[in-house]
Amino acid sequence: EEQMLESGGGLVQPGGSLRVSCVGSGFSFSNYAMSWVRQAPGKGLEWVSAIGGSGAIIYYADSVKGRFTISRDNSKSILYLQMNSLRAEDTAVYYCAKGWVSRGWFDPWGQGTLVTVSS
Amino acid sequence: QSALTQPPSASGSPGQSVTISCTGTSSDVGGYNYVSWYQQYPGKAPKLVIYEVTKRPSGVPDRFSGSKSGNTASLTVSGLQADDEADYYCGSYGGSDNLLFGGGTKLTVL
Repeated sequence: EEQMLESGGGLVQPGGSLRVSCVGSGFSFSNYAMSWVRQAPGKGLEWVSAIGGSGAIIYYADSVKGRFTISRDNSKSILYLQMNSLRAEDTAVYYCAKGWVSRGWFDPWGQGTLVTVSS
Repeated sequence: QSALTQPPSASGSPGQSVTISCTGTSSDVGGYNYVSWYQQYPGKAPKLVIYEVTKRPSGVPDRFSGSKSGNTASLTVSGLQADDEADYYCGSYGGSDNLLFGGGTKLTVL
């Protein structure tokens, strides 16, 4: 069974940094593109960033470009999202999901990790 | 780019059919056959129920179907059941290497 498990969320002050991680299992991790999608409390879904299987191709939403960095360690089947210069509006549950942006769909999704930006 | 437009709510009685719309533009929904739909229960992760406009992942009942006309995609849930009550989100490739989501529709089974 394909699964993703996120970790690393927590409370961080505005302007601070945090790195969230996602471990994939049940599939050949390096063969698949991965994405991060977030959901602010009580709000809808927002695509954040995507990375190709080898890590060579990377895309970001305009809302996080220049502040967030996506990366992956295929030897450990781990996806990362380094978040810097965090703002209150970055408060959300961050989900990792398997799939490529240009195909328009993600499956499966992890259970999510909550990032709260507040003083 | 703006999010795709969905009605905030939809409802139907058990056994009935309900259709949820997702409106975009010719640059996203209308321009590509890469529309997807997700079901989300409160406090849970989204689950893919339709991809590439009309395709159903393994394990998703055939009561769920998708279609598209012009810049509007639709999700139809037939034979409504109590556990279909959830939030539903559409997604579409938006060109320029980004993916757009709709604002979500809360489906209530009366």
